[in-house]
Amino acid sequence: AQKVTQAQTEISVVEKEDVTLDCVYETRDTTYYLFWYKQPPSGELVFLIRRNSFDEQNEISGRYSWNFQKSTSSFNFTITASQVVDSAVYFCALKAPSTGANSKLTFGKGITLSVRP
Amino acid sequence: NAGVTQTPKFRVLKTGQSMTLLCAQDMNHEYMYWYRQDPGMGLRLIHYSVGEGTTAKGEVPDGYNVSRLKKQNFLLGLESAAPSQTSVYFCASSYSPGLVDTQYFGPGTRLTVL
Repeated sequence: AQKVTQAQTEISVVEKEDVTLDCVYETRDTTYYLFWYKQPPSGELVFLIRRNSFDEQNEISGRYSWNFQKSTSSFNFTITASQVVDSAVYFCALKAPSTGANSKLTFGKGITLSVRP
Repeated sequence: NAGVTQTPKFRVLKTGQSMTLLCAQDMNHEYMYWYRQDPGMGLRLIHYSVGEGTTAKGEVPDGYNVSRLKKQNFLLGLESAAPSQTSVYFCASSYSPGLVDTQYFGPGTRLTVL
């Protein structure tokens, strides 16, 4: 079965701190994709990144970076020098062939990040 | 290019009432999805469509119906609303169902059933 676990439910940091959001996944498929979405207080879901199972290179985009490690089935997200605008709920999601439903997204339960000024 | 839009943004219903949520996308995407988001549950797939005129069940389809009469629109219906259907509903679309393809989400509809 496919599963995405975001063990941290709420994280609170002070502005300019670095913060890492953890994501652990389970799948029996060898080919799959992992995603991160951001849900700011306004409610919409914003796509952040997609990573395939064959690409273990870390990704950096400005203050955001992602660390994908197949050995530990983890796809962690780090925000460097956090800002108040980073306050949001962050979802990790998995897409794999055996999820059926034409490769539906399996979401974790989300991590609520609060960045205090 | 508006992306994915949803109507209405908010709605309050009484138990037993019916309503339809409208999702529209202008990206010429073939695939469309309806999810519900509940506290502590993440997002769960209700129904999806692989093209105009087609629909299929997701993981939590009971109490909902859908229709895809036009490629750009995907409607979610509640025939007899129940308090358990109080949730935030998200529509999403993607060009294909492939693993590589990203789903893009609408802004959500917050539904309360009293």
